[in-house]
Amino acid sequence: SQTIHQWPATLVQPVGSPLSLECTVEGTSNPNLYWYRQAAGRGLQLLFYSVGIGQISSEVPQNLSASRPQDRQFILSSKKLLLSDSGFYLCAWKYTNTEAFFGQGTRLTVV
Amino acid sequence: KQEVTQIPAALSVPEGENLVLNCSFTDSAIYNLQWFRQDPGKGLTSLLLIQSSQREQTSGRLNASLDKSSGRSTLYIAASQPGDSATYLCAVLGNNNDMRFGAGTRLTVKP
Repeated sequence: SQTIHQWPATLVQPVGSPLSLECTVEGTSNPNLYWYRQAAGRGLQLLFYSVGIGQISSEVPQNLSASRPQDRQFILSSKKLLLSDSGFYLCAWKYTNTEAFFGQGTRLTVV
Repeated sequence: KQEVTQIPAALSVPEGENLVLNCSFTDSAIYNLQWFRQDPGKGLTSLLLIQSSQREQTSGRLNASLDKSSGRSTLYIAASQPGDSATYLCAVLGNNNDMRFGAGTRLTVKP
């Protein structure tokens, strides 16, 4: 069966520090992978998605980046965090014609 | 860019009522649409997936419909229960495999 792992569950980082969030999927091959951010009481904002190794589509973030070094690994990074980067980060995987499945999320607080 | 809208933003009903949640999207060129529920501080749980060629899907007390040409989907919940209290989110998968969400409907079912 397929599982998705996302860690850490919570993270408190100072402004200006780097960030690396990792998402891995098991039991799948060549899935579409997604990173979202959810502000308190809001919907999910699409940050990045990838349809294959090394293929990254970027939406709005200015100081965030994503990489897919392996088929089932999706990494969200920042060189210098801003206060506005605080939020709930969610990773998901999906095949085009199947359901999407989400990780448990990382709650990031930038202080 | 695809825009997804959900109304109402919040809904409070007494236990036992039937209710309808609405989701609309601006670009009808989609692969599929998926409904999720999210409990506070948690990840997303998949409820129903409707392919673009389908009109509706049912699971237990839930029924989701899709009218792709008019850019609308509804989630019908029959005989609501307090355990149905959560935020309900719809997500649309576009032809570029970009999966975009509405802001959600926060449902409260009162005993």
